[in-house]
Amino acid sequence: EVQLVESGGGLVQPGGSLRLSCAASGFTFSSYWMHWVRQAPGKGLVWVSRINSDGSSTSYADSVKGRFTISRDNAKNTLYLQMNSLRAEDTAVYYCARQNINYGEVDYWGQGTLVTVSS
Amino acid sequence: EIVMTQSPATLSVSPGERATLSCRASQSVSSNLAWYQQKPGQAPRLLIYGASTRATGIPARFSGSGSGTEFTLTISSLQSEDFAVYYCQQYNNWLLYTFGQGTKLEIK
Repeated sequence: EVQLVESGGGLVQPGGSLRLSCAASGFTFSSYWMHWVRQAPGKGLVWVSRINSDGSSTSYADSVKGRFTISRDNAKNTLYLQMNSLRAEDTAVYYCARQNINYGEVDYWGQGTLVTVSS
Repeated sequence: EIVMTQSPATLSVSPGERATLSCRASQSVSSNLAWYQQKPGQAPRLLIYGASTRATGIPARFSGSGSGTEFTLTISSLQSEDFAVYYCQQYNNWLLYTFGQGTKLEIK
């Protein structure tokens, strides 16, 4: 069974940093591209970032570019999102998600971790 | 950036009736379009990929159609568990995915 379990969320002050983790199991993590998607309270889904299977290629939404860094450790089956210079508008539930190995859609999602940026 | 626009924002339908949700892309995404269902407090769930292929375990009452810039999700006979928010997402550009703003399907 595919499982994605996020952790690392919490309350952080504006300008602060936080690192999210996503522990993957039930599939060959090193073969899959992975994504982070966020959802502000009461709002819609917003794609944040993606990384290819070996970590050599990444891309970001304009809203987080230069502040967030996606990475992975295939030996630990773990995806990360390093978030720096956090702003109030970064407050959201952050979901880790797996991209289908053959196509581009996201086929599995974690349950999410809440990040709150507030003083 | 490809902008995805969903309509309507809210759709009120009675159980047993048909629901039709629309999604428009600002430029062609070919058939690289997915639909997701999200219920309160839950993660999204993949329903449709490739514009028209049902994901594993998705009931046949869910169907997707369209290509290029115009897409439709149809739920043929609404069940109580289908009332949720639905999102479309393009993945034609693997460097920059985008979601629609969502359609809330509510009980009439």
